[in-house]
This record gives sequence, C-alpha cells and structure tokens, in this order.
Amino acid sequence: KNQVEQSPQSLIILEGKNCTLQCNYTVSPFSNLRWYKQDTGRGPVSLTIMTFSENTKSNGRYTATLDADTKQSSLHITASQLSDSASYICVVRGGTYKYIFGTGTRLKVLA
Amino acid sequence: KAGVTQTPRYLIKTRGQQVTLSCSPISGHRSVSWYQQTPGQGLQFLFEYFSETQRNKGNFPGRFSGRQFSNSRSEMNVSTLELGDSALYLCASSRLREGLYANTGELFFGEGSRLTVL
Repeated sequence: KNQVEQSPQSLIILEGKNCTLQCNYTVSPFSNLRWYKQDTGRGPVSLTIMTFSENTKSNGRYTATLDADTKQSSLHITASQLSDSASYICVVRGGTYKYIFGTGTRLKVLA
Repeated sequence: KAGVTQTPRYLIKTRGQQVTLSCSPISGHRSVSWYQQTPGQGLQFLFEYFSETQRNKGNFPGRFSGRQFSNSRSEMNVSTLELGDSALYLCASSRLREGLYANTGELFFGEGSRLTVL
C-alpha cells in the first residue's frame, strides 16, 4: 500500500533552536518528493521538491534530504523563528499513484 | 504575478445540495489539480487536469467531478452533498514538467474554499 508517514505528529521548540522532521514512504515507483509549509487557514507553500537523483536541497533555513534506498526524507529547520510555526507536509508522487500526502507535523515555535 | 485564485472562499450548504467551486490558475500554468483537506484525513488528491483532459483521479466517489476550460480555469462539482464533505478544498496549478513517471512541476496552491455541509 502506498503510504507516507510523518513524525513527530507535533513538536514544540524554542525560538532559535534547530529541529528535524521525518518522512518515510512506501510509494513505488517513485518520481519526486515535496515538502510544503502550511500556515493555519492558508494554502500550502512549496519548500523543496526532490527527484530520486537528488539527496539534499536547501531553501534558506530549510534543508531537505532524501534517501531513495531507505525511502526516507527529512526536513531540517535551522535557527527557528516564530514564523516557522505551521504544519509541514511531506508529499510523494510516483507512477500512476497520484500525490500521496503525509498527515503533517505541526510545529510550534515559542519565544 | 497573480497567484492561484479560488472562489468562493467560504460557503455553507445543506445535505443533498450540490456545489461548484472555481479555480483560476497562475497565468501560463496549464495543469490544475484539486485536493480535499480535513482534520482527520489530511490532504487527499481528487483529480488533475491538463489541457482540458483529466490526467489522474483520486479515490473519491463519482459525486466528485471536475472539468477544465480552454483558458485553463477549472471547476469542481460535488453533488448530493453529505456531512462528511465538509472540508477545505484546495486547488493547485503548475507549469507541467514531465518527469520519469509524473509531473515534477512545482505546485502553487490557492487559499482554498471552505465548505460546510449542514
């Protein structure tokens, strides 16, 4: 069964600290993996998109990694800010299996 | 450059009614996809259109349908509404870039249409 699992479900950190969010998938064949940030009541905004040949991609303070062999991805946030408080969603696409979404990690950054 | 525009932003319907939601993609984007987001299920893929043709469809009943017009604008329709259809419906557009198996173009989401079924 094609699935995307994210951990942790929720996370609370202090401003300025780093954190890492995890995404494990069983989607096959694999085409690409995307990380999105979704603020409450808003549409998701793309952070990174990686194909199977890419294993690291950065977007400012956000760095995503991909291990296509173990089918794992992580999103690392450096020097967190209050504005990073949001849900982070991992999405995998491959073959005819459309887009498979993880249920997200809800991050709360405290001052 | 204008983003993805969805209308209406909020609407309330009663069971048994039908609803039509509209999505205007970013200028130049010909691929439009639709998603349902609920607190319990998260984001789920509904369907994807390119050049007025449905390319992919998620696992939703036939009450959910969509179409795309020649100007790339898209509509989705839900007939015979049920309480469980209450959700945020998101539309995304992309400039189609064909990858090994699927579109690798970046998705740009609209703000969504929040549907409440009473």
